[in-house]
Formats: sequence, C-alpha cells, structure tokens
Amino acid sequence: DAKTTQPTSMDCAEGRAANLPCNHSTISGNEYVYWYRQIHSQGPQYIIHGLKNNETNEMASLIITEDRKSSTLILPHATLRDTAVYYCIVKRRVGNEKLTFGTGTRLTIIP
Amino acid sequence: EPEVTQTPSHQVTQMGQEVILRCVPISNHLYFYWYRQILGQKVEFLVSFYNNEISEKSEIFDDQFSVERPDGSNFTLKIRSTKLEDSAMYFCASSERTGGGTEAFFGQGTRLTVV
Repeated sequence: DAKTTQPTSMDCAEGRAANLPCNHSTISGNEYVYWYRQIHSQGPQYIIHGLKNNETNEMASLIITEDRKSSTLILPHATLRDTAVYYCIVKRRVGNEKLTFGTGTRLTIIP
Repeated sequence: EPEVTQTPSHQVTQMGQEVILRCVPISNHLYFYWYRQILGQKVEFLVSFYNNEISEKSEIFDDQFSVERPDGSNFTLKIRSTKLEDSAMYFCASSERTGGGTEAFFGQGTRLTVV
C-alpha cells in the first residue's frame, strides 16, 4: 500500500472548519483513501473514504486532488468532541484486508 | 446503530497465563479482524478471519495467538501464555466485505495488562 504523510499536529478553533491534509504521492489507481480517527484510547472510528471523486457524508468531506497525490479531510464545524488523532490510510481495492495505521495528525479543537 | 462490542473492557493477568478476549461483530458482517495498540504506539494489524479461517496475519501473530469463531456471533482472540510485552489495547473490527471501498468498524477495545 502507498505510504501517507500527515502533519504531526494541528489546532483548530471551535466552530471553524478543520482541514487535515494528507500526502499520498505514490498512490496507484487501484487504491482508496480512507480516514479514521481515534478519540483518546477508544477504538478507531471510520470517517470517510474515496477513490477519485470528492465525497461527503454526515461527518466530513473528503477532497482528493485530480492527480490523487494528496487529499484533505474537512470537518465543517469542528466541536470539542472532534479532538482526536486522525489517520489517513491508503488501501488497495482488492486483495488487501488490513488497515495500516501511521502516526496520524493529532487535532486539537480549541474553545 | 449496530456496533462491535468487546468484553471485558479491562483484563489483568499474570505472565504465563492464558487469556481469551471476546468480540461480538456486527451481525451481517463476514470479515473479522484483531488489531492491537501498545501504549503510545501505532495501531497494528494482527489477523483477519473469513469463512472460518485466517485469511491474513502479521508477523506479530505467532503461535501464541489463535482466533476462533465458536458460534454464530462471537469472535475470540486467545493468547496462550501471556508475556509482559502483550500488554496493550486489543481492538476487534468487522466489515461486511473486503477490498477497497469497504469500511471496517471497530470495537472500543480490551485493555490487557500482563503483570
């Protein structure tokens, strides 16, 4: 699976949009981009995933660049409960079942 | 909303003892996983399980570990002879299918402390 690079930490003011970048410059055409988060020591929580089109769900939006070498997770109105470690993970479409977690971005929402 | 449930939430065991960690995956899911996270470290894949057999395992998952689906609802991880370095959070996950485009849902974890 392609490697991902994320900033170690970020802060965002409560109520503002949190934009979390991820670089995956070696991604191949059959790999998806996934985002998970981990609040304190709880189990990782699925947020969103995409292949090449931008995606939106009730939690977040995922913007993938046209060349697919990077993406941004957007939390539109961050709340204190969004403070967590956010993981950007690239996963093959077929033949790979596991998620490979990196160190992620520690997002702190500031009141 | 359906969820993955794990029991117990915290287990303390003596070194050398056997432990069984239990998970109830989401009911219509067919793929099951165990991950672990040593304090302060990354979440690491241990094993995936489908159709009553292991489909993939990491090098961490050695002969001391085994998994089982003893009935239609439970999925267990057994550690035969625990070591101090097995102390970690253990997360169970399940997914409806595999491959890209499929999301895995995680339980809240079992904190295993080996003393």
